[in-house]
Parts: sequence; structure tokens; C-alpha cells
Amino acid sequence: AQSVAQPEDQVNVAEGNPLTVKCTYSVSGNPYLFWYVQYPNRGLQFLLKYITGDNLVKGSYGFEAEFNKSQTSFHLKKPSALVSDSALYFCAVRDRADSNYQLIWGAGTKLIIKP
Amino acid sequence: ETGVTQTPRHLVMGMTNKKSLKCEQHLGHNAMYWYKQSAKKPLELMFVYNFKEQTENNSVPSRFSPECPNSSHLFLHLHTLQPEDSALYLCASTVTGSSGANVLTFGAGSRLTVL
Repeated sequence: AQSVAQPEDQVNVAEGNPLTVKCTYSVSGNPYLFWYVQYPNRGLQFLLKYITGDNLVKGSYGFEAEFNKSQTSFHLKKPSALVSDSALYFCAVRDRADSNYQLIWGAGTKLIIKP
Repeated sequence: ETGVTQTPRHLVMGMTNKKSLKCEQHLGHNAMYWYKQSAKKPLELMFVYNFKEQTENNSVPSRFSPECPNSSHLFLHLHTLQPEDSALYLCASTVTGSSGANVLTFGAGSRLTVL
């Protein structure tokens, strides 16, 4: 079965420290990979995606993610966290072989950045 | 504002009520989606419309009835809901293409409470 795992319900990081939000996936074919962020009382916003090419993808607000095919992971990273990064982060994957192009979502990781 | 507008933002209804959620986008997108978001769970895809035609119905109970009169508007009609239907309902839209790497634009959501 196709799935996305975000193993941590919550990640706590001190402001200024690097952060990592983990995501692993299981799909039958080659994936498109996405990260979305949800700020309080808001809908989800697109952060970045991996399509092909360079395994390190850069996105909005200084975030980046690294695609690792052998580990089937797509961890989200940022070198220096800001308090304003506190939000709910969702990883999603789409199987290129799926003609319906439907996204498979993780359960989300709450990121808390402490001053 | 993302360009996808959902109303109402908050709705409280009894189990015997009939209400509707509305979603509107003027981004020129051809596909619109309803998702259900519950705490600590992956987003649940409910319905997909592509050029006003329903292309996906993920085994959603009939007490949820979608309507898509045109590519810019999407409704979710609610009738005799259950308390477990209480959740954040998110509308999203996108331009579908052949690559499958398209990004969703979300509205802020309608927070539904069923008493």
C-alpha cells in the first residue's frame, strides 16, 4: 500500500538552531514529493517540491529538502529556525504511475520554535 | 489571501440541520477538491472535480453532497451529519497537466462542529 510517514508528531527547536522535519514514503513507482505548511487558522501553503534532477530542492522561506531514493525519504530542513516557522508541516507524495495523480499525505508534524 | 475563498469560516450545526460550504477561486484553475482535515491524521480526499465533472468520490457518505456549477465554484452540501464529521473542511484548486507535478492552492478552511 502506498503511504507517507511523518514519524514525529511534534518537533521542538530553539530559535537559531537548524531544524529537520522527517518524511519517508512508500509508493510503487517514482514519486513527485511535496512539502506544505499550515499556519494557525490558515489553509495549507506550498513550500517546495521534488520532480527530478538535483536531490536538494530549495523552497520558500529558506526551507530546503533532500530527496534520498535509497532511503525513500524527503526530509525538510532549514539551517536557522525562526519563531515564525512554528506551524504544522505536511509531506505528500504522488506516484508518477498513478493516472489519477492523487496525493498521498502524511499526518503532519507540528514544529515549535522556542525563542 | 491565496486566491481560494471559503465561506463560512466557522459553522456549528445540529445533526438534523442542512447547511452548505462554499468555495470560490478566480485563479483560472480547472480542478477543485474537497478535503477533510482531522487532528493528527492525513488529509482525507473527499471529492475532485475537473472541468466541472466529478472525477473522484472517495467513498464519502451520502450525507455529504458536492456541487460544482462551474470551474470557479464548489459547494459541499451537508445534511444529517454526525458528531464525528466535525473537522476542518479544506477546498483546494489547481491546474491539471500531464506531468502530475501540479501544486494545490488551498483555502483557509471551514471549521465545522456538529452537535
